[in-house]
Amino acid sequence: GAVVSQHPSWVICKSGTSVKIECRSLDFQATTMFWYRQFPKQSLMLMATSNEGSKATYEQGVEKDKFLINHASLTLSTLTVTSAHPEDSSFYICSATLDTYTDTQYFGPGTRLTVL
Amino acid sequence: GNSVTQMEGPVTLSEEAFLTINCTYTATGYPSLFWYVQYPGEGLQLLLKATKADDKGSNKGFEATYRKETTSFHLEKGSVQVSDSAVYFCALRPMDSSYKLIFGSGTRLLVRP
Repeated sequence: GAVVSQHPSWVICKSGTSVKIECRSLDFQATTMFWYRQFPKQSLMLMATSNEGSKATYEQGVEKDKFLINHASLTLSTLTVTSAHPEDSSFYICSATLDTYTDTQYFGPGTRLTVL
Repeated sequence: GNSVTQMEGPVTLSEEAFLTINCTYTATGYPSLFWYVQYPGEGLQLLLKATKADDKGSNKGFEATYRKETTSFHLEKGSVQVSDSAVYFCALRPMDSSYKLIFGSGTRLLVRP
């Protein structure tokens, strides 16, 4: 089946630094990738949708200059948390789909970010 | 707005017990409804779905029925196994969205031998 990987699985960084998280579709080409954020004991919240070769679409309330998303190829999307602060500490999850009109999203295992 | 509420966990059961995880939703019209499962160390996987009222989704012994009158999509399994231990997420896709998923907070299930 379709597999999505994320790297790193966890990262600890100092406040003010930037962190990049990669999301890869390993055995299929993903026209669309999604980035979610999950706080402890809370729902996954969609942050943004990215299509290969175009700018990401951010959900209301998500700072696009804070969370930079790049979808440079059909198998790779990256999320960069710029100038990270402790309140950015969270679990970040990506998913990928073959096209925007399918029900099925394939999820990565997530990346836990801790900002000190 | 659209939202999903599911029962807080953890839910702890003995093997072969009956499972119910409650899920209710708020949405306009007829959203599509989903259950996702996340096993330890893995990504969320689609478990089952239903796209219209009275539909029953089923997979791996799990079932859920789309109840419009009670805005519910409760997950059930007649006899759980240790391997069913995971976190279960209820989700909806609004009628006006081709891709956006709105998730509940997840319910952790622990099945003891």
